[in-house]
Amino acid sequence: RKEVEQDPGPFNVPEGATVAFNCTYSNSASQSFFWYRQDCRKEPKLLMSVYSSGNEDGRFTAQLNRASQYISLLIRDSKLSDSATYLCVVIPLGAGNMLTFGGGTRLMVKP
Amino acid sequence: EPEVTQTPSHQVTQMGQEVILRCVPISNHLYFYWYRQILGQKVEFLVSFYNNEISEKSEIFDDQFSVERPDGSNFTLKIRSTKLEDSAMYFCASSFITGGEPQHFGDGTRLSIL
Repeated sequence: RKEVEQDPGPFNVPEGATVAFNCTYSNSASQSFFWYRQDCRKEPKLLMSVYSSGNEDGRFTAQLNRASQYISLLIRDSKLSDSATYLCVVIPLGAGNMLTFGGGTRLMVKP
Repeated sequence: EPEVTQTPSHQVTQMGQEVILRCVPISNHLYFYWYRQILGQKVEFLVSFYNNEISEKSEIFDDQFSVERPDGSNFTLKIRSTKLEDSAMYFCASSFITGGEPQHFGDGTRLSIL
């Protein structure tokens, strides 16, 4: 089983739509969770950390379900500029600060 | 906003040659990392570095690879005797602390082995 698993997509949505991505992780003792975004052939950029109680940053909402080992990202009112690959990232327990990346979910927002 | 810088942006090298990829982490950061991303694949951890020594490394980071902080600002990744399969984007990252703090990535070096 992959350590961090994501649906690769692509998710094709119109501007203004709400879209949700999910991610599952295999190590139940994982301790830290993030969403990064990556534009084509660019570096990963931190979008947001994911906290146990869930957190929101503008149009973006992240949720963590430790029992199901599941992380989600909700994007409201999609913009053209949201088109990118969204990377689910986990730090397993005992891995220090070693980021473990999922394969990413590609989002394409159309006019 | 401070950023991680990497040079060169693109390196083309003959198989068997040595390459050195360079990074300047964010100035007050203490932890440094290298990751790689083969085209079309996920980002993979290579190594982390703190207090002038390696703190963690992955299975990918074998004897072919080494890291160094030769001065107060640069952080380098050396790949000896390069192979075709070393072709990838190499990202440097840094963070102020460990234990879950997000890492900030440089814009990468594209390494092409011919």
